[in-house]
Amino acid sequence: EAGVTQFPSHSVIEKGQTVTLRCDPISGHDNLYWYRRVMGKEIKFLLHFVKESKQDESGMPNNRFLAERTGGTYSTLKVQPAELEDSGVYFCASSSRTASNSPLHFGNGTRLTVT
Amino acid sequence: SQQGEEDPQALSIQEGENATMNCSYKTSINNLQWYRQNSGRGLVHLILIRSNEREKHSGRLRVTLDTSKKSSSLLITASRAADTASYFCATGAGTALIFGKGTTLSVSS
Repeated sequence: EAGVTQFPSHSVIEKGQTVTLRCDPISGHDNLYWYRRVMGKEIKFLLHFVKESKQDESGMPNNRFLAERTGGTYSTLKVQPAELEDSGVYFCASSSRTASNSPLHFGNGTRLTVT
Repeated sequence: SQQGEEDPQALSIQEGENATMNCSYKTSINNLQWYRQNSGRGLVHLILIRSNEREKHSGRLRVTLDTSKKSSSLLITASRAADTASYFCATGAGTALIFGKGTTLSVSS
């Protein structure tokens, strides 16, 4: 079984540019999560999809962040325009049931650096 | 807002010693999970303990949960150099897991 894959693994962009991160969950997992870790801080929840629907997007920092999961398969997270404070590691995770009932399977993350 | 808080933030031990990490949280939970993250990799699930359980074992790992104190501990026995990683507790109450800042464990041979 293939794990959760994220692309790219690293991205360096300038302030004001746009970046799109992609996550391919484990096949059959309806639940897909995005998290972010800024250096030295906690792993912060961003949002949760169930299939193609946004179940909870309370962690999204602002409207510069847009997440989609068309067709309920892979997901993208777009940051437009990027700011310096958006730098960090963005993790995607998937699960067959919600996180309150089952473990999450994580990808290796995308390290985003905004200069 | 942050839910889990791990303690200590960093821990250095010798191979063969035991490592204990603690986690405190703030609100009611359905379960508490521990994850490990090796440098540059994603988080790997270690163990899940439900709110009605008090202790759980998995190999060299032992997790305890005290819901009255809103705290949990992770014990790694007979540590190995390969256990060097960051360890996170995460609490599940709603649909998402809420993570703390983690404990960085360094095991030297």
